[in-house]
Amino acid sequence: EIVMTQSPVTLSVSPGERATLSCRASQSVSSNLAWYQQKPGQAPRLLIYGASTRATGIPARFSGSGSGTEFTLTISSLQSEDFAVYYCQQYNNWPFGGGTKVEIK
Amino acid sequence: EVQLVQSGAEVKKPGESLKISCKGSGHNFTSYWIGWVRQMAGKGLEWMGIIYLGDSDTRYSPSFQGQVTISADKSISTAYLQWSSLKASDTAMYYCARSGYSYGLGPADYWGQGTLVTVSS
Repeated sequence: EIVMTQSPVTLSVSPGERATLSCRASQSVSSNLAWYQQKPGQAPRLLIYGASTRATGIPARFSGSGSGTEFTLTISSLQSEDFAVYYCQQYNNWPFGGGTKVEIK
Repeated sequence: EVQLVQSGAEVKKPGESLKISCKGSGHNFTSYWIGWVRQMAGKGLEWMGIIYLGDSDTRYSPSFQGQVTISADKSISTAYLQWSSLKASDTAMYYCARSGYSYGLGPADYWGQGTLVTVSS
């Protein structure tokens, strides 16, 4: 089974700064990679699919890149509503990474 | 509007059985896969398994194979997650989500609101 590994576990960022989150697959998943945001008490929300395509209604400050085994989610200028936990997922099967918590510095 | 509506919170004793549901509306769900995701308190998302509503083709995560049963009734666009004998370690929030590509596996584009299952003696 493909294992998804996210880093860092926690990222401390000041509002307005850039956040860069990483996701690594244990073997190639091509571009079949999605990113989700989850806030406390809420279901996850799809942000990015196809490694780099924003889902409907997702602001342009969210961008994804990568293919194969190395992927990145970038939030260009963090807003207060962006502090949350972010998960990657390869959807050849459906396993998720362990998550990165983006917290206020 | 596409929606997934899950059944309500459950409190059960160890050893009891349970079946929770996830009903889709607002779209023809028979051409989509519905997945189940576990989230234990304060922890991450764990994929449990996924079922194609059209023919009930089911795939399980190795971690959950044999521990749960996923089924579906396409006539009412509903997927189910079932336990035959609950353990305290099954206490968690369970989400269903739609795989966003017709026929094939894709990202989870719509999510249910979650069903909290508590197993305690």
